[in-house]
Amino acid sequence: GIQVEQSPPDLILQEGANSTLRCNFSDSVNNLQWFHQNPWGQLINLFYIPSGTKQNGRLSATTVATERYSLLYISSSQTTDSGVYFCAVGRPYTGFQKLVFGTGTRLLVSP
Amino acid sequence: GAGVSQSPSNKVTEKGKDVELRCDPISGHTALYWYRQRLGQGLEFLIYFQGNSAPDKSGLPSDRFSAERTGGSVSTLTIQRTQQEDSAVYLCASSPRGSGSTYNEQFFGPGTRLTVL
Repeated sequence: GIQVEQSPPDLILQEGANSTLRCNFSDSVNNLQWFHQNPWGQLINLFYIPSGTKQNGRLSATTVATERYSLLYISSSQTTDSGVYFCAVGRPYTGFQKLVFGTGTRLLVSP
Repeated sequence: GAGVSQSPSNKVTEKGKDVELRCDPISGHTALYWYRQRLGQGLEFLIYFQGNSAPDKSGLPSDRFSAERTGGSVSTLTIQRTQQEDSAVYLCASSPRGSGSTYNEQFFGPGTRLTVL
């Protein structure tokens, strides 16, 4: 099946720093989502981005589907950005769209 | 509007007992998914429902796991004869449309944390 790799696995930042998280996937996809899992375990939708570039406040994402990767940019990080960031992809398979998740990037933003 | 809701939020059970976990999807969403997240891991797909079609059960780890969706809305995941390796967070997601759609963003509930003693 499709493989999803995220890097780096762990990231420690000072408040105010910028960062880039990467997601590589092994096959063509037509669904790609970025999530933030907060310390309480809730998965928060950040971006639905199977291709192209989107921005939402301090966060932006770019997916280059032909090269099979996506990037999540966090600017001016805040302590509330701490948590685990997951990339998940979906591809046509017997007509449904299960998401295959990467193992995540664990981010800690210190004051 | 209301998001995906799940109950209970926490469940502690003894090995060998049966458990039922409930999911209420976002109103109007036709597709519903169950995933499992073991400690420190990513999410694993379990089962998918699309409208009134037969569910895709390809992710269920054993025949102790089953799920149903009544009236195209609420879903129940049942685990029979629970084992310690079943301990995990079980998350439900829904999306506006399923297969055949170019838009399939999934929205997740808060999960049920299951602990099997």
